[in-house]
Amino acid sequence: QKEVEQDPGPLSVPEGAIVSLNCTYSNSAFQYFMWYRQYSRKGPELLMYTYSSGNKEDGRFTAQVDKSSKYISLFIRDSQPSDSATYLCAPDQTGANNLFFGTGTRLTVIP
Amino acid sequence: DSGVTQTPKHLITATGQRVTLRCSPRSGDLSVYWYQQSLDQGLQFLIQYYNGEERAKGNILERFSAQQFPDLHSELNLSSLELGDSALYFCASSARQGGGSPLHFGNGTRLTVT
Repeated sequence: QKEVEQDPGPLSVPEGAIVSLNCTYSNSAFQYFMWYRQYSRKGPELLMYTYSSGNKEDGRFTAQVDKSSKYISLFIRDSQPSDSATYLCAPDQTGANNLFFGTGTRLTVIP
Repeated sequence: DSGVTQTPKHLITATGQRVTLRCSPRSGDLSVYWYQQSLDQGLQFLIQYYNGEERAKGNILERFSAQQFPDLHSELNLSSLELGDSALYFCASSARQGGGSPLHFGNGTRLTVT
């Protein structure tokens, strides 16, 4: 079983839509949960960082973690064409020496 | 700008050749990570260094090697190249070596093996 599973998409939505991106993971030791955004021909950049279960909001973005079901979500409200990118989830744990990434979901927001 | 610099941006070479990819981490970061990204595999962890010492190995082939120098820059050496080695190679850095520390990525080196 892979450490992190993510629906690869692609996902195409109209501008202004609410987007839901999801990941599941298998390691119950994961405590830190990150979402990275990767634009075409660029390196991934950290978008959201949460610790343990719960929600975290930053502008139009909300990260949600449910450790009991090992489920991670990223919600984007009022999606914009500039949100078109690949989104990668990355759970992490204390003492880890590398970060496991999901395969990424490619999102296109159509004007 | 993440502060992580990778050179060159593009490399085109033939099978059987050897190349070196270079990475300068973000100022103050002691950990350097190398990842390979191909279309069907996503981001695959290759190797991590912390303050000059190897800390973890992932799915790195024996034909590949890396090192981190005293000034903290790192190089990834790829030898006996095969067509399947064509991919984007990313370097990332972080302040700590343990978990919970976000990674800062460079913009990668695109390697094409013909």
